[in-house]
Amino acid sequence: DVKVTQSSRYLVKRTGEKVFLECVQDMDHENMFWYRQDPGLGLRLIYFSYDVKMKEKGDIPEGYSVSREKKERFSLILESASTNQTSMYLCASSWARHTQYFGPGTRLTVL
Amino acid sequence: GEDVEQSLFLSVREGDSSVINCTYTDSSSTYLYWYKQEPGAGLQLLTYIFSNMDMKQDQRLTVLLNKKDKHLSLRIADTQTGDSAIYFCAESFASGGYNKLIFGAGTRLAVHP
Repeated sequence: DVKVTQSSRYLVKRTGEKVFLECVQDMDHENMFWYRQDPGLGLRLIYFSYDVKMKEKGDIPEGYSVSREKKERFSLILESASTNQTSMYLCASSWARHTQYFGPGTRLTVL
Repeated sequence: GEDVEQSLFLSVREGDSSVINCTYTDSSSTYLYWYKQEPGAGLQLLTYIFSNMDMKQDQRLTVLLNKKDKHLSLRIADTQTGDSAIYFCAESFASGGYNKLIFGAGTRLAVHP
């Protein structure tokens, strides 16, 4: 079975802090994704990566950056967290153009 | 542009069938997906259908696709309390080396005794 894990289930940070969200997959997938989930809006793509050190912006990249130093690990970085970044963050991975598999999510609260 | 719409809430009695509906706009979709999200959890892949199919059945789940009307539905037979969750419809289409997913807002299914 595909396994996608995220480093924290719940995280509370203060405005202005630098925040790292980590995601690891164990299926040697090339593609990895970060989504944000807000009530009534579904999931929106923040960034994705198609290879080590390669990344592309999704639909809502403002205020975020990403890092992929190893194939299995994809990090989402909030350089200076703001209250409007309070949300559920979901990581996913896929092999080429195949199905995306999701992690359990990190619920981030920015105070 | 791409858009996926779902009704936000559905309430059914335990043992009845549930039908969750979804409409999408992009006719170039390759696959259409249903994901399930239980409270506090991530998204679990439930089933998917290739865009050139009309129907797919998998145990209690039946997916119907009407390409002409761009309408997708998920039927859950003999709905149980464990089926209470949010169900997301997503359309996918090729974008470079991956499938881009466009999600609906999710339908919250509540199953009552």
